[in-house]
Amino acid sequence: RKEVEQDPGPFNVPEGATVAFNCTYSNSASQSFFWYRQDCRKEPKLLMSVYSSGNEDGRFTAQLNRASQYISLLIRDSKLSDSATYLCAVPGIGGGADGLTFGKGTHLIIQP
Amino acid sequence: ETGVTQTPRHLVMGMTNKKSLKCEQHLGHNAMYWYKQSAKKPLELMFVYNFKEQTENNSVPSRFSPECPNSSHLFLHLHTLQPEDSALYLCASSQGTGSSYNEQFFGPGTRLTVL
Repeated sequence: RKEVEQDPGPFNVPEGATVAFNCTYSNSASQSFFWYRQDCRKEPKLLMSVYSSGNEDGRFTAQLNRASQYISLLIRDSKLSDSATYLCAVPGIGGGADGLTFGKGTHLIIQP
Repeated sequence: ETGVTQTPRHLVMGMTNKKSLKCEQHLGHNAMYWYKQSAKKPLELMFVYNFKEQTENNSVPSRFSPECPNSSHLFLHLHTLQPEDSALYLCASSQGTGSSYNEQFFGPGTRLTVL
């Protein structure tokens, strides 16, 4: 299994819809998980951190399923401004304890 | 946002040049990181520093040489690079290391082109 794997994109979603995508990880001992948002030619920006079963922040909900080793990101009432690439990141994979291992990202396009 | 700054933002260099990338964080963090982002590949961790000490080197070629003089500054010295080293180089910082302190915040990156 790849260390951090994300749903392939792009996801084309109409404005106002709910969209969800998953991220699977290989290290069952991982304790923390992160979702970043990256706009074209910009740096990743931290969107959500997950340390227990999940986290919610406004329209965004992240859920952790330890048994199946995946985390999901749910976006409700999607806005045009949500169009971006969403990166999943997990520390402690690939031999290192501190650096993050990133997935390739899921490209989301919100259509008017 | 000016939490993590990087200079230069763009750099074009020949394979025989020597250049340095600079990163500065204004967040009072203790850990700093270098990542590489190439087209169609995920972000790759290069180096980790915690309290100025290097704690991870992710099998990076020696033509990349990091330097961390203090917890606020991080450099990446470049020499005899190859065209395949062209990428976006991102610096990040976090309060510390370990699962409770590992929220990492990124600078805007240096887009490097090696001719």
